[in-house]
Amino acid sequence: EAAVTQSPRNKVAVTGGKVTLSCNQTNNHNNMYWYRQDTGHGLRLIHYSYGAGSTEKGDIPDGYKASRPSQENFSLILELATPSQTSVYFCASGDAKGNTLYFGAGTRLSVL
Amino acid sequence: GDSVTQTEGLVTLTKGLPVMLNCTYQTTYSPFLFWYVQHLNEAPKLLLKSSTDNKRTEHQGFYATLHKSSSSFHLQKSSVQLSDSALYFCALRPSNYNVLYFGSGTKLTVEP
Repeated sequence: EAAVTQSPRNKVAVTGGKVTLSCNQTNNHNNMYWYRQDTGHGLRLIHYSYGAGSTEKGDIPDGYKASRPSQENFSLILELATPSQTSVYFCASGDAKGNTLYFGAGTRLSVL
Repeated sequence: GDSVTQTEGLVTLTKGLPVMLNCTYQTTYSPFLFWYVQHLNEAPKLLLKSSTDNKRTEHQGFYATLHKSSSSFHLQKSSVQLSDSALYFCALRPSNYNVLYFGSGTKLTVEP
């Protein structure tokens, strides 16, 4: 089965600090996505990528940057973390048509 | 813009009863609709999908029919089980875009 691995699984950060969330996929999918999950909001798209070297803004990109150095890896970067970024973050990969997404196990981030 | 609406945040049912979770969408492009299920502390997984108007699609006892005339893709099951307790997300992919838009989710709790 398709495999998407996120690290770390849990992270506590301080306000103003830099946080990097990592995602690795072994599906050889071109498309990768970062979502955040908050109660009442479902899954909201932060950034996505169509392949190595490309990043695109999703619906809520403010305060986040993304990096896709290779087909397998897609990182989400919080340069100056704020308490409002406390959430559960999911990475996903998808085939070229974007029809089926395979999600990682999620990263629970707390910004204090 | 493109969007998905799930009207029920919480649904609680007794085992063996039928369930319908509502999903409506908005897009100006041809729609691809999905239901994802997320069990507690797990990643979301695809439950079923459709892009064909008025055709029922089924998986694991759940079924849904895409109705383009009413922009709906409701999820149904004739008899819920305790193991169906989970968070259910409806998602939309407009045909011009390789991104999924998720609804806010419906938490289904099945009681004995």
